[in-house]
Parts: sequence; structure tokens; C-alpha cells
Amino acid sequence: EVQLLESGGGLVQPGESLRLSCTASGFTFTDYSMSWVRQAPGKGLEWVSGISGSGGDTYSADSVKGRFTISRDNSKNTLYLQMNSLRAEDTAVYYCAKDRSVVVVTATDNWGQGTLVTVSS
Amino acid sequence: QSALTQPASVSGSPGQSITISCTGTSSDIGDYNYVAWYQQHPAKAPKLMIYDVSNRPSGVSNRFSGSKSGNTASLTISGLQAEDEADYYCTSYTSSSTLLFGGGTKLTVL
Repeated sequence: EVQLLESGGGLVQPGESLRLSCTASGFTFTDYSMSWVRQAPGKGLEWVSGISGSGGDTYSADSVKGRFTISRDNSKNTLYLQMNSLRAEDTAVYYCAKDRSVVVVTATDNWGQGTLVTVSS
Repeated sequence: QSALTQPASVSGSPGQSITISCTGTSSDIGDYNYVAWYQQHPAKAPKLMIYDVSNRPSGVSNRFSGSKSGNTASLTISGLQAEDEADYYCTSYTSSSTLLFGGGTKLTVL
């Protein structure tokens, strides 16, 4: 059974940093691309960043480019999202999601339960 | 990039069929067969219902079907059931190697 467990969310002030982690199990981690998707309170889903199975290719939405960095440690079956220069509009539940593809991000077939990030002074 | 365009809400009675549209551009839906649909119930994580335009993951009811024509993709739910009431989101792969979500559609089963 695929399991994705996010951690690292919390309350931070504008301009601060936070690192999210997602520990994966139940599948061969290196065989799949992974993504972070967020959902602001009462709003829709927004894809944030994706990374290929090898970690050699990363992709990000324009809204976070230059501030957020996605990475993975395949030896630890763990996905990360380093979030810098956080803004109030980054407040959301952040989901870790497994893709169906190994190279690009096409469709996420398994999701974690999400971790809440709140950016407020 | 702007989100894909979905109707804010649709509704139908039990047993009926409904269709949710998802409109993009020639840089996303129009150029790639990587359209997916997700179902999200309140306070739950999204669930993949359709991938690659029209394929259903194992375990998803065959009442759910997907299609695409030009820059517009569609999700059809036949034999509507009470448990289908949820938010539905489309996504598409883009020419920038990113994923783009639609704004979401709230399905109400009357």
C-alpha cells in the first residue's frame, strides 16, 4: 500500500523559511516523479513543484519560482520542499503526491493527507 | 499561467448524467494527452479519477469517463449517486513541463 506522510508544517512569519518533508513507502520511490500541491483555505488546488524520479529534473509554478526548491533523497525515500521568503498568500495545506510518470509530472495517483503552513505575523 | 477554466458548479439528480468541462489552450490541453481529473470530498485529499484523458485507475467506477476535443477536456459521470457529490478538478501537462489545475467544479446531487 502506498503511503505518503508529510511533516514540517506550522506557523511562520512573513519572510521566514520552512522545510516540508514527505516520507514515502509501499512503492519503488525512484520509479516515480513526485509533486507538491497546495490548497489555500476554502480555495482550489494549485500545483507547486515537481521532480523526476532521479531528482535530475525539477519543475515549479511561476508563483513560487525562485523562492521554493523541491528536492528528494532517494536513499531515504523522502521528498522535500524548501520554502523561503514566505508570504501570506503561501498559507495553505501542502500535499505530497506521487505521479504516474518517472520523468515528467502528468497525473498524481496517490496523495498524502497534507500539512498546514500558515504565514502570518 | 492562468488556471484551466471549469464551471464553478454543476448539479444533477440521482441516476442522471452530468458533464464537467475544462478549457485550456494549445499550450496545454490542446497539445498533450495528459489530462487528469480529481475528486475531492470536504476535508479529504484529492483522488485521481481519470488520467491520460480517458483512462480510469483501478478501482474507479466505470460511471466516470473522460474525453477531449481540441483545447477542451470533459468529465462525464453517468448514473449519478449521492456519494458523487464533491469538488472536481482537471489538470493538464503544459509546454513548460508543469501541471496546471482548473479552478474546480462543485457537483451537487439534488
